[in-house]
Amino acid sequence: EAGVVQSPRYKIIEKKQPVAFWCNPISGHNTLYWYRQNLGQGPELLIRYENEEAVDDSQLPKDRFSAERLKGVDSTLKIQPAELGDSAVYLCASSSRLLESGELFFGEGSRLTVL
Amino acid sequence: QKEVEQDPGPLSVPEGAIVSLNCTYSNSAFQYFMWYRQYSRKGPELLMYTYSSGNKEDGRFTAQVDKSSKYISLFIRDSQPSDSATYLCAMSTLISNFGNEKLTFGTGTRLTIIP
Repeated sequence: EAGVVQSPRYKIIEKKQPVAFWCNPISGHNTLYWYRQNLGQGPELLIRYENEEAVDDSQLPKDRFSAERLKGVDSTLKIQPAELGDSAVYLCASSSRLLESGELFFGEGSRLTVL
Repeated sequence: QKEVEQDPGPLSVPEGAIVSLNCTYSNSAFQYFMWYRQYSRKGPELLMYTYSSGNKEDGRFTAQVDKSSKYISLFIRDSQPSDSATYLCAMSTLISNFGNEKLTFGTGTRLTIIP
């Protein structure tokens, strides 16, 4: 079974430029998460989707960040314009209601460097 | 004060030693306690999961939860070089039919096992 797929793995941009990250969750997983992990820190939730609905976006900086999951499968996270402080690893994760533990399956992440 | 506190390390121990990793938390509503392992430039993966207080053992790994003290631990016996990674504790108040409502991570402890 394929895991969570993210692209691109690495992105270097100058500040004020836009950037987009793509995520394809594990097939059949209804819940999709975007996390941000700063260097030396644990992941922090940006947004959580249940199917195509964003059910928790309270931590998403909406002035510059946007996300969509139009058909309830893959998802895109966009930053426009990027700032120096946005340099981080953006992790996508998915989970299934069938697992009692609520385990999150993470992708390898998209590492963003803003110059 | 963060909801979840974790010593970032780094922690270096010789191969074969017993490793003890710990987290404290302040939110008494946390009911689900997890340990994720994250190898360099990879996404986190679930290692251990515990509901409420008590111990859970899986091979060389033992997870302990003491809700009265708001303290959780992960023990690794007979540590191996392949155990070298960052270990993240994570906690959740609710797991619904759609997965973890909100998973809060510690900062992670970077562990190195020296051959």
